[in-house]
Amino acid sequence: DVKVTQSSRYLVKRTGEKVFLECVQDMDHENMFWYRQDPGLGLRLIYFSYDVKMKEKGDIPEGYSVSREKKERFSLILESASTNQTSMYLCASTLGSPSYEQYFGPGTRLTVT
Amino acid sequence: TQLLEQSPQFLSIQEGENLTVYCNSSSVFSSLQWYRQEPGEGPVLLVTVVTGGEVKKLKRLTFQFGDARKDSSLHITAAQPGDTGLYLCAGGGSSNTGKLIFGQGTTLQVKP
Repeated sequence: DVKVTQSSRYLVKRTGEKVFLECVQDMDHENMFWYRQDPGLGLRLIYFSYDVKMKEKGDIPEGYSVSREKKERFSLILESASTNQTSMYLCASTLGSPSYEQYFGPGTRLTVT
Repeated sequence: TQLLEQSPQFLSIQEGENLTVYCNSSSVFSSLQWYRQEPGEGPVLLVTVVTGGEVKKLKRLTFQFGDARKDSSLHITAAQPGDTGLYLCAGGGSSNTGKLIFGQGTTLQVKP
């Protein structure tokens, strides 16, 4: 079974703090993704990575950065957390073609106060 | 811009009823996935369909991919309270990066 793990299930941070969210997959997948999920807005893509050290902006990259130093690990960084970044953060990975199935981690519920 | 329109957005039914969720687009997809997400958890893949007209069954759930690969449906027979959750459809193949286009989701509540 594909396994995607995220470093924390729940996180509470203060405004202005630097926040690291880590994601690890064990299936040697090339592509990894970070989404945030908010009520009424669905899943929104923040950043994705299609290879080690390669990254591309998604639909809402502002206020976020990412790091992929190893194939299995993809980190999301909030440089200076703000209250509007309170959300559920989901990491996913995929082998890509032909099925494009994505496998998700359990999510991190981040609250910024 | 590719979009997937999912309907209905919310559904509240009694145990034992049947229901259908629809996922429509004007774009063609190479594949389409359905996921179920429970509160506080990540989405879990239910099925992938790749061939136009394909029908797949998973116990009481029936998934269909449209002939033109632009739409899909999920039908649940005799819904159970355990079917409660958020159902998401997602289309793939628009790029070689593995990006998916997600629908907004259908929140299903099955009352005992």
